[in-house]
Amino acid sequence: QAVVTQEASLTVSPGGTVTLTCGSNTGAVSGAHYPYWFQKKPGQAPRTLIYDTSNRHSWTPARFSGSLLGDKAALTLSGAQPEDEADYYCLLSYNGGRVVFGGGTKLTVL
Amino acid sequence: QVQLQESGPGLVKASETLSLTCSVSGGSISRHYWSWIRHSPEKGLEWIGYIYYTGITNYNPSLKSRVTMSVDTPKSQFSLKLTSVTAADTAVYYCARGSPPLDYWGQGKLVTVTS
Repeated sequence: QAVVTQEASLTVSPGGTVTLTCGSNTGAVSGAHYPYWFQKKPGQAPRTLIYDTSNRHSWTPARFSGSLLGDKAALTLSGAQPEDEADYYCLLSYNGGRVVFGGGTKLTVL
Repeated sequence: QVQLQESGPGLVKASETLSLTCSVSGGSISRHYWSWIRHSPEKGLEWIGYIYYTGITNYNPSLKSRVTMSVDTPKSQFSLKLTSVTAADTAVYYCARGSPPLDYWGQGKLVTVTS
């Protein structure tokens, strides 16, 4: 069974830049995994930020960007705001239609 | 604007079956995949599976033996059944559109498994 890995926690200063990564135990993450990134705040449903590696939804602030970085997918937040403090999850798609979430990264803006 | 709403019991006894329904409004249930995902503080987000409007399904291998999904297109609803529940199945259950893209989500339904 595929395992998707993320940093457990990261801290960024207000206005700063931070990169979250998403790896797979099956090998390098590529566009064929259609990486997604979700933001999850307590008491709220998850919200999709990035789809298919680097595409923003209409509601995604421009300070969020997605990419491939080495053998991982990456979510970069440039100009962090206090309201960006949340848990972030990546999701990868595998052969056979399997979908696996990463364990999540708790992002603190401090 | 597509809206999804989960409904069903919030308490389920251990060893019994969890049953939830997701009602879709503001858009067609046809020509889309529909997913169930759950969230717990211990495990984070976990994909349970998805169903296509034609009834084709794909389940998480770790839950496959206990999961059944169905769709009622005229009612614009799809459903989840999870059998033989344990405390480990206590979570907030979400329905969402896609397999992904998961662009629209319900507000979530907390289901607690009691002993």
